[in-house]
Amino acid sequence: SQKIEQNSEALNIQEGKTATLTCNYTNYSPAYLQWYRQDPGRGPVFLLLIRENEKEKRKERLKVTFDTTLKQSLFHITASQPADSATYLCAPLFKPARQLTFGSGTQLTVLP
Amino acid sequence: DGGITQSPKYLFRKEGQNVTLSCEQNLNHDAMYWYRQDPGQGLRLIYYSQIVNDFQKGDIAEGYSVSREKKESFPLTVTSAQKNPTAFYLCASNRDRASNQPQHFGDGTRLSIL
Repeated sequence: SQKIEQNSEALNIQEGKTATLTCNYTNYSPAYLQWYRQDPGRGPVFLLLIRENEKEKRKERLKVTFDTTLKQSLFHITASQPADSATYLCAPLFKPARQLTFGSGTQLTVLP
Repeated sequence: DGGITQSPKYLFRKEGQNVTLSCEQNLNHDAMYWYRQDPGQGLRLIYYSQIVNDFQKGDIAEGYSVSREKKESFPLTVTSAQKNPTAFYLCASNRDRASNQPQHFGDGTRLSIL
């Protein structure tokens, strides 16, 4: 079965630096991959989607890359702010089941 | 504003009791989902529904039941057969399951055992 791994449960960085979160998957590549942000006690909120034929996607300070050779997606937050502190979930959608599979998340803390 | 409303926010269950979690959406979405989230684990799919009066089991359906009598509503019942029900339950929806549209989530119900 497909396995999703997100790098270390917690990541602490200094304000203003770039945060890089990793999402690795096994076996076959997903049709696309979504990234969500989740705050404590709240539901996840969609951030970005990248398709299997795309290398990179940007939205304001956010950037997602997708490397099907490495079976990996990277999520970057540039010029990080304390308000970016949250848990970030990657969610690939694998064919043919067409079911979104969520990773366990990486808890990011941006220190002032 | 359109969105998903889950209630209650906190729920306590006694031994041998069934409890029902409410999920309502006004986004006009066809597909709705129930997930369970445990500490340190990803969201696990319990049930999903692609259309009114139809629903399918997800990866961990045992001990749960659902209904979809209206497009807007997708309640989840945690039955006494679910031996470890303590978790954070999330309801989500999107336009349809086959699309790449993101899922919209409610703010969850935290269920605990008394």
